[in-house]
Amino acid sequence: NAGVTQTPKFRILKIGQSMTLQCTQDMNHNYMYWYRQDPGMGLKLIYYSVGAGITDKGEVPNGYNVSRSTTEDFPLRLELAAPSQTSVYFCASSPQSAGGRNEQFFGPGTRLTVL
Amino acid sequence: AQTVTQSQPEMSVQEAETVTLSCTYDTSESDYYLFWYKQPPSRQMILVIRQEAYKQQNATENRFSVNFQKAAKSFSLKISDSQLGDAAMYFCAYIRGYGGSQGNLIFGKGTKLSVKP
Repeated sequence: NAGVTQTPKFRILKIGQSMTLQCTQDMNHNYMYWYRQDPGMGLKLIYYSVGAGITDKGEVPNGYNVSRSTTEDFPLRLELAAPSQTSVYFCASSPQSAGGRNEQFFGPGTRLTVL
Repeated sequence: AQTVTQSQPEMSVQEAETVTLSCTYDTSESDYYLFWYKQPPSRQMILVIRQEAYKQQNATENRFSVNFQKAAKSFSLKISDSQLGDAAMYFCAYIRGYGGSQGNLIFGKGTKLSVKP
């Protein structure tokens, strides 16, 4: 199993551009998440999904959109990129569970810079 | 709202020695889980250890153990026989045990651990 994979690893965007961060997991996990990690900080939840077709906002959703058409894929869309979105983005997945009983498995992250 | 506080931005330990990283949290929930994650320079988030709040026994994983003090809302990580590969950022994290924003891990700001040879 490849686990959770993310593409691209690095990206530089100009202000106002848009892009999609890709996330795929091959563990058949129902739950998937997007976090961002700003310098010197822990991770903060952007969006999450409890299954195909179901998504919900996390702590910092403004400026982002997600979709979940399949169990495996959970892309994160940035519209009109702003310097405040410069961060490292992590995708994670976990098996179906109630609350935190199962470990979240993280992808390697995408470092995004908006200039 | 739940919060997680790591009061030590940086720590240093001599190889083969023992180090303890501190974490406190604030919650009104009774059912929750606590985690320590390791983030080496590769950025990969790696689960080190997990503690269920309903368990009184402290979790252990090889050289890693926790001191879970539920009443004090304290969750420290002890690393014994420190190795050079333990050098990393360590994040304490909390998650509620049921309902709400499913799987919303709340992270502290992290402690950067250096290991001296």
